[in-house]
Amino acid sequence: GAVVSQHPSRVICKSGTSVKIECRSLDFQATTMFWYRQFPKQSLMLMATSNEGSKATYEQGVEKDKFLINHASLTLSTLTVTSAHPEDSSFYICSARELFGNTIYFGEGSWLTVV
Amino acid sequence: GQQVMQIPQYQHVQEGEDFTTYCNSSTTLSNIQWYKQRPGGHPVFLIQLVKSGEVKKQKRLTFQFGEAKKNSSLHITATQTTDVGTYFCAGPHNQGGKLIFGQGTELSVKP
Repeated sequence: GAVVSQHPSRVICKSGTSVKIECRSLDFQATTMFWYRQFPKQSLMLMATSNEGSKATYEQGVEKDKFLINHASLTLSTLTVTSAHPEDSSFYICSARELFGNTIYFGEGSWLTVV
Repeated sequence: GQQVMQIPQYQHVQEGEDFTTYCNSSTTLSNIQWYKQRPGGHPVFLIQLVKSGEVKKQKRLTFQFGEAKKNSSLHITATQTTDVGTYFCAGPHNQGGKLIFGQGTELSVKP
């Protein structure tokens, strides 16, 4: 079945630095990828919709200059958390929708800890 | 704005008991999807329902989509410890197709 790979699975960074998280669709093409943030015991909060070849669409309240999203190809989207602060520590999950389909597949998620 | 609400938030059952989680949307949905997230894991797609009144079964799991396509339920018969996790329903936003998730129901099963 379709697989979405997310890397790194865990990362620790210092305050003020930037961290890049990659989301790859391994055996299908995805024109649209989604980035979520999930706090413990809570639901998934959509941060932005990433469209191949165009600018991402951010949800209300999400700072686009802080959470940079790039979707350079049909199989790769990246999320860069810039000038990270401890409050950015969270579980970040991407998902991808097949080019000719409706099913959405999730990556394994990335645990970010900012110290 | 468009919302998807899910109840209960938590459910603790004895192994062998049944479990049901309910999902309600503020708007009519073109489809509804169900995901399971194990503790420490990521959401895994379970099923998608498209038709009004549709019922689908996966072994001990029964999924229903309401006639009005605004509500859905997931029923697990005779729960097992492997059923532990959080079950999310999700429906597409009426603009852009992004998924709106319910709050999830966390299921714990006591052996």
